[in-house]
Amino acid sequence: GEDVEQSLFLSVREGDSSVINCTYTDSSSTYLYWYKQEPGAGLQLLTYIFSNMDMKQDQRLTVLLNKKDKHLSLRIADTQTGDSAIYFCAEIQNQAGTALIFGKGTTLSVSS
Amino acid sequence: GAVVSQHPSWVICKSGTSVKIECRSLDFQATTMFWYRQFPKQSLMLMATSNEGSKATYEQGVEKDKFLINHASLTLSTLTVTSAHPEDSSFYICSARDHPGTNQPQHFGDGTRLSIL
Repeated sequence: GEDVEQSLFLSVREGDSSVINCTYTDSSSTYLYWYKQEPGAGLQLLTYIFSNMDMKQDQRLTVLLNKKDKHLSLRIADTQTGDSAIYFCAEIQNQAGTALIFGKGTTLSVSS
Repeated sequence: GAVVSQHPSWVICKSGTSVKIECRSLDFQATTMFWYRQFPKQSLMLMATSNEGSKATYEQGVEKDKFLINHASLTLSTLTVTSAHPEDSSFYICSARDHPGTNQPQHFGDGTRLSIL
């Protein structure tokens, strides 16, 4: 079945770059997403990438997509303490494209 | 941008109580909304897809009589946890897409923390 895998924890120092990795299984996924969840809160959409793209940049965020390896990464430049949160990657769950399947989330801890 | 609002944000109640959670799309119409459940330090698991004017589609293993979903209007879906027990304690999150039938991103509510004593 479908599965989305992420490393569970990442610790960086303020000002460094953070790279969060994700692998997915469904090669037919048309969109892949990155969401951010702060403690006790819902999910905030950070960015998403269409499957015909290799890279997408949005301010401090860079998404890289390797379709051959089914690998997705999120790079946060100049990481700040406010970036500390759980980051989820997600892919479309079903053929109708109506639901998402999430990875377990990567907890990013930023120290000053 | 598209905003999804959930209410209440936190509920604490006794075992056996039924609890209703509301999910509203504030500035767009949502023919489809999604309900997720999240246990501590775990990922989101899709519970059901809520369709306006029709029955919800439940994921395998989710009891439809336990988790009642009503989507009576294009801006409101409700999830009622009936006769809640401590094992139902969780974080419930809804989402909606402002462009239905597409792969455009879903917008999430802030979640409802349900604690059953």
